[in-house]
Amino acid sequence: DTAVSQTPKYLVTQMGNDKSIKCEQNLGHDTMYWYKQDSKKFLKIMFSYNNKELIINETVPNRFSPKSPDKAHLNLHINSLELGDSAVYFCASSQARGESPLHFGNGTRLTVT
Amino acid sequence: GENVEQHPSTLSVQEGDSAVIKCTYSDSASNYFPWYKQELGKGPQLIIDIRSNVGEKKDQRIAVTLNKTAKHFSLHITETQPEDSAVYFCAVLNSGYSTLTFGKGTMLLVSP
Repeated sequence: DTAVSQTPKYLVTQMGNDKSIKCEQNLGHDTMYWYKQDSKKFLKIMFSYNNKELIINETVPNRFSPKSPDKAHLNLHINSLELGDSAVYFCASSQARGESPLHFGNGTRLTVT
Repeated sequence: GENVEQHPSTLSVQEGDSAVIKCTYSDSASNYFPWYKQELGKGPQLIIDIRSNVGEKKDQRIAVTLNKTAKHFSLHITETQPEDSAVYFCAVLNSGYSTLTFGKGTMLLVSP
């Protein structure tokens, strides 16, 4: 059983388009996250949700809008895609904030042409 | 905010050798230090973590040491095997926001 699943695995699109990435976790965790991993493998947090409430919003352009319809889902919508948005996006979850281990999905590789 | 430095960026060893990866951090109030392993095409996975009230923790071939005074911690892998080849990330829990700041990763290559 996949604990944190995200779709699609690959996403190729043109500049200016709008796209969404979906994430679901079946671990019963309270907290979910979106991380961005750039071409140099650097992992940076974008958003953190706790019980469907936005907790953390790092310095991310407002073209990125997370949506959490329920505790098990955290989707990421990106408007007006730019070349610099090309990266691997990881969804993750943890039982609680703080010292709880993060469980990552396998990532969505977004390529903007 | 928290600043986490990780070295080396790449590390090549022969099977059976030991590997050591080091990280330093800036916020002396930080108290939780996990290590994650990322295999090709997959998300990072927690392999070991340490809290500031402990100086060393071992789990089979993997150990982590912490020096709070010097603000650095290290991952030690003994008797390396080809399946240990991956990118390893250290991380530090930000005391203010309860989120992790990751190091830039170390690509470990274990040659048979």
